[in-house]
Amino acid sequence: AQSVSQHNHHVILSEAASLELGCNYSYGGTVNLFWYVQYPGQHLQLLLKYFSGDPLVKGIKGFEAEFIKSKFSFNLRKPSVQWSDTAEYFCAVKTSGTYKYIFGTGTRLKVLA
Amino acid sequence: EPEVTQTPSHQVTQMGQEVILRCVPISNHLYFYWYRQILGQKVEFLVSFYNNEISEKSEIFDDQFSVERPDGSNFTLKIRSTKLEDSAMYFCASMGGGNSPLHFGNGTRLTVT
Repeated sequence: AQSVSQHNHHVILSEAASLELGCNYSYGGTVNLFWYVQYPGQHLQLLLKYFSGDPLVKGIKGFEAEFIKSKFSFNLRKPSVQWSDTAEYFCAVKTSGTYKYIFGTGTRLKVLA
Repeated sequence: EPEVTQTPSHQVTQMGQEVILRCVPISNHLYFYWYRQILGQKVEFLVSFYNNEISEKSEIFDDQFSVERPDGSNFTLKIRSTKLEDSAMYFCASMGGGNSPLHFGNGTRLTVT
């Protein structure tokens, strides 16, 4: 069965530090990849998505992610985090032939002011 | 920007009671979903719905669960006889087409006592 792994469960950074959150998936075929963010008390919001083309995807709020097919990875990055980036981040995968999105376990990011 | 709306925001019910969670997806969307998130755990797929029928469902979505799109705008999740372990945040989501991301509602927090 397809699965999504996020190895960092909790990350604590100071403002202006760089961020990289790992995401790996298990599926050999075509995938669509997503990062969602959930701010405290709010719903899941789309940060960025990859369907095809340039494997480096830029999203909102300065986030980007790189799809590395050979590593089955879609890591999220931000060069300089802000206190307002404190949230939970979820990686999600949609595989070909299905409309089901599979989510990772999430990474809680806390940014210290 | 169009939104997915969910009601109620919080529902408390006694074990064994039936609950109906309501969602109004984005109006021109075609695919509808229910996900749940038990406190501190990952976002889990329950069911997807397209063309007035269930397209996929997870092992969680057993005979106690049902979905309906009664009037072309609402999308409901019914739990026939709630159990303590059904306590979770339930998210409705909708999607416009195959190459679109999911748009989530704010969720309904279900507490079963």
